[in-house]
Amino acid sequence: DTAVSQTPKYLVTQMGNDKSIKCEQNLGHDTMYWYKQDSKKFLKIMFSYNNKELIINETVPNRFSPKSPDKAHLNLHINSLELGDSAVYFCASSPTGGVDQPQHFGDGTRLSIL
Amino acid sequence: GENVEQHPSTLSVQEGDSAVIKCTYSDSASNYFPWYKQELGKRPQLIIDIRSNVGEKKDQRIAVTLNKTAKHFSLHITETQPEDSAVYFCAASQNTPLVFGKGTRLSVIA
Repeated sequence: DTAVSQTPKYLVTQMGNDKSIKCEQNLGHDTMYWYKQDSKKFLKIMFSYNNKELIINETVPNRFSPKSPDKAHLNLHINSLELGDSAVYFCASSPTGGVDQPQHFGDGTRLSIL
Repeated sequence: GENVEQHPSTLSVQEGDSAVIKCTYSDSASNYFPWYKQELGKRPQLIIDIRSNVGEKKDQRIAVTLNKTAKHFSLHITETQPEDSAVYFCAASQNTPLVFGKGTRLSVIA
């Protein structure tokens, strides 16, 4: 029973395509996040949603659009993929809206742009 | 905004020795300091966290210390084992997104 599950695990696609990554958590948490981990392993927050509402939107190109249909799901859609989008994308969740709560990460989606 | 510096970037220790990883932060209002362990190809996992009203916290072989005045916190792993080999990340926040350090790759040599 994976607490935070992401699909797909691997995504290989051509530059210019549009793709989506899905995330679901079964922990009953209120807050979900998307992080990007680049090739140097640097982890950076992209978005945070609390109970389906966007609360954090870091400096991310507007080609990236998160969507939260309910508080257990946070999906990430990326338009017009670029080479620099190649990275591992992690979804995470935490119990409440406060960011000072332990975060549980999914297994990551490795996105490779050809 | 918050800035977190982490040192060293790589650390090799002999099995059984101790390992210490240090982080400094810039925002004196930060009050939550978690540490995450990421094994190769796996997800980051929380191993210990500390809040600013506590100076030290211990969980078996792992301990974290916090010096609010100096704005630094450290992770201590005693009696290291090969399975401790991983990348360790510190982070800091105060009602803001977690800001992560750049990670320390720890190698425990058997």
